[in-house]
Amino acid sequence: DGGITQSPKYLFRKEGQNVTLSCEQNLNHDAMYWYRQDPGQGLRLIYYSQIVNDFQKGDIAEGYSVSREKKESFPLTVTSAQKNPTAFYLCASSIDLQQSGWGNQPQHFGDGTRLSIL
Amino acid sequence: GENVEQHPSTLSVQEGDSAVIKCTYSDSASNYFPWYKQELGKGPQLIIDIRSNVGEKKDQRIAVTLNKTAKHFSLHITETQPEDSAVYFCAASSIGDYKLSFGAGTTVTVRA
Repeated sequence: DGGITQSPKYLFRKEGQNVTLSCEQNLNHDAMYWYRQDPGQGLRLIYYSQIVNDFQKGDIAEGYSVSREKKESFPLTVTSAQKNPTAFYLCASSIDLQQSGWGNQPQHFGDGTRLSIL
Repeated sequence: GENVEQHPSTLSVQEGDSAVIKCTYSDSASNYFPWYKQELGKGPQLIIDIRSNVGEKKDQRIAVTLNKTAKHFSLHITETQPEDSAVYFCAASSIGDYKLSFGAGTTVTVRA
């Protein structure tokens, strides 16, 4: 079955530590996204990537970093500079907008990683 | 930027009744409006979407309506069942824009 796999499901971070969240997809999608979800709020975009070796900041990129070395993978690092990292992190992917003639495409989500502070 | 407001924040309905969730958006350039359902501990799942060249779209018990003039769109769930209990999110984006702007979500509870 094609889909998006996020790991781990739960993650704990110590003070001053960087942690990396994994996101892998086998949908052959070019575009991938990271969102942060806080209780009672909608999803907020952290970073997105249209293609391998390219990524763009979203609305709340400070304290986060990403890489896109492979089409299938888009890991997110939560750095020690992110002072309030406790949240539910969601990865998504979609067909690239350029490939679809710039028509918006549905984003498909993984089941998330819940990050907490020790 | 786009601002999406969603109402109500919580909704409790009797099984078999209808549920309606409403969203408004601020950017007149928005032309794509998906709805997602999120169950506890899971990621959001796309349940229906609509583009601005269409006023209404149905899929079995789910329908979405769009009023471009008033800049609002709504999700209608008919004959609700216990498995419809979840958090529902609306979202909006403009053509060629990778970013989806999400509403804050509606927690729907279907009472048996």
